Parts: sequence; C-alpha cells; structure tokens
Amino acid sequence: DVKVTQSSRYLVKRTGEKVFLECVQDMDHENMFWYRQDPGLGLRLIYFSYDVKMKEKGDIPEGYSVSREKKERFSLILESASTNQTSMYLCASSLQGSNTEAFFGQGTRLTVV
Amino acid sequence: AQKVTQAQTEISVVEKEDVTLDCVYETRDTTYYLFWYKQPPSGELVFLIRRNSFDEQNEISGRYSWNFQKSTSSFNFTITASQVVDSAVYFCALSGNQGGKLIFGQGTELSVKP
Repeated sequence: DVKVTQSSRYLVKRTGEKVFLECVQDMDHENMFWYRQDPGLGLRLIYFSYDVKMKEKGDIPEGYSVSREKKERFSLILESASTNQTSMYLCASSLQGSNTEAFFGQGTRLTVV
Repeated sequence: AQKVTQAQTEISVVEKEDVTLDCVYETRDTTYYLFWYKQPPSGELVFLIRRNSFDEQNEISGRYSWNFQKSTSSFNFTITASQVVDSAVYFCALSGNQGGKLIFGQGTELSVKP
C-alpha cells in the first residue's frame, strides 16, 4: 500500500518559533510537493521538488523554506512562525512528469498562537 | 500563467439527484493534464481521474462521468444518482510543461443529504 506520511496530524506552535513539518514517501517518487489549504482558497503550492536537493518556488513561498536531502523525505520549514501561517498543510508526491497523479498525506493542521 | 477556477464553492443536493461540478482552466501549454481529486472528511485527497489535452473523449466510471471540452477550457464532473458517501470537497487540478507541478482550483464542497 503506497504511502505518504506526515509527521504530525495536529501541531500548535508559538509565534516566532521555527517549525519543521516532515513528509516521507515510500514510492520512490521523484516529485514532492507542499501545499497549504485554506477555506475558499483551495490548495496553494508552497514549494515543489523534482529531485534530491532540487526545489522550485510555488505560488506562496514567502515565509517558508524546504529541504530535500534524501529522495523519500521533504521537509517544510517555517523560519519564524506567524499567526497567518495557521493552516492545513498537505504533502504530496508523484512520479516524474506532468501526467502522473499525486499521492497525498493526511495533512498537518498547524495552529500558530 | 496557469489557473484553475471552480466557481461553485458549495453545492447541496438530496440523495439520488444528479450533480455537476464545474472546472475551468487556463494554460498556454499545448500539452497538459487535468485531474479531479476527492477530499472526504478524513482529509486525505484521493485521485479520481486524469485526462490529457489531446483526448477529448468523455469518460464514465460507474456513477461518475467527466466532460472535457477544449473549446471552452472546461473539465466538468458529474455524479449521477448521488449518495451520502459522495459528500466531500472535490478539487480540479492542472499540470502542464513544468515537470509535474500541479495547480489546484479552490475546491467545491458537495453535501448530499439523505
């Protein structure tokens, strides 16, 4: 059974903290994604990685960074968490190419207080 | 720039009604792919269908059908004889010549009442 696993389902952090969201996939996929989901805005792409150590900014990268040191792991980093980063974060992975479907993790609901 | 628009934020129907979810997209790529995903209350998105830009044939899978029209840049999704288990948020998505980058619409929340 293919899997994308996010390290936490729920997370509460304080303003100004450095936050790490971890995502691991076991399908040997080249592509990995981080999205945030907010009501009325759908899924917005934060960062996209198409290979180890390779990354590309999505539509809303401000305030975030990513790390992909190993193929199976893609980390999203909030350098200094702010209340406007309270959201649902979704990780996904897919095979290389534009025609492959993405597989999603269960999501991490982050609250910044 | 690529964009996906799902104008219907919420739809509510009674069980056994047919319902169509609209999706309009924008892209300058000549080769692209369109997707539909379902997000049940549990939260994990589930892939439903993929269509490439050269294949405008409609597709039917059980109670689900999809209508792809390049002339109107639309990829609509119809559920026939809806059931309570169809209640979910449905997302339309687009992938073009950008190595697999997937752009989503705003989502349509479908509520099917018994």
